Amino acid sequence: EAQVTQNPRYLITVTGKKLTVTCSQNMNHEYMSWYRQDPGLGLRQIYYSMNVEVTDKGDVPEGYKVSRKEKRNFPLILESPSPNQTSLYFCASSNSLSYEQYFGPGTRLTVT
Amino acid sequence: RKEVEQDPGPFNVPEGATVAFNCTYSNSASQSFFWYRQDCRKEPKLLMSVYSSGNEDGRFTAQLNRASQYISLLIRDSKLSDSATYLCVVYLGAGSYQLTFGKGTKLSVIP
Repeated sequence: EAQVTQNPRYLITVTGKKLTVTCSQNMNHEYMSWYRQDPGLGLRQIYYSMNVEVTDKGDVPEGYKVSRKEKRNFPLILESPSPNQTSLYFCASSNSLSYEQYFGPGTRLTVT
Repeated sequence: RKEVEQDPGPFNVPEGATVAFNCTYSNSASQSFFWYRQDCRKEPKLLMSVYSSGNEDGRFTAQLNRASQYISLLIRDSKLSDSATYLCVVYLGAGSYQLTFGKGTKLSVIP
């Protein structure tokens, strides 16, 4: 089954404790992306990757890091989480022809 | 001016009604356009891509007006299951690989 998986689905953590949210896709997609969704602000792109070892900033990259060492994986790293990073996070992938995004189920992060 | 704008709604319509949403975008160089559907607290799912000539998928019709920089989504014969938030998405292309989402339009179809 074609899918995008994210882990964990729910996470409560404390300010400053480094965390990683994993994202994996099995569709051999070149393009992968991270979004955060907040009430009243909609979905905003954090980082995206055009292919292995090629990443770039989206609209709200501050406080986040990403890496793309393998085509299927695109982890999101919060080195020092803060309460303003409490949000619903989605990973997505697509091929680089259509850009039709397939989304993971989301990770609900709370930083206290 | 925001890059992608949508009327947030909510649109409350009776079953069987026809409803239309518009979405405007600010960058005239934008290359690709999409409509996504999002159910409460779930991931967005692609509803349809929007082509220059317009396209139809069952009860759904999407159109693009490049001159006025808007896309539209028409839903005919609304079903209760159409209740969701509809997101407009624009891909700029031309060396920028970002995707920009509108904030969504909420639709409630009422029995």
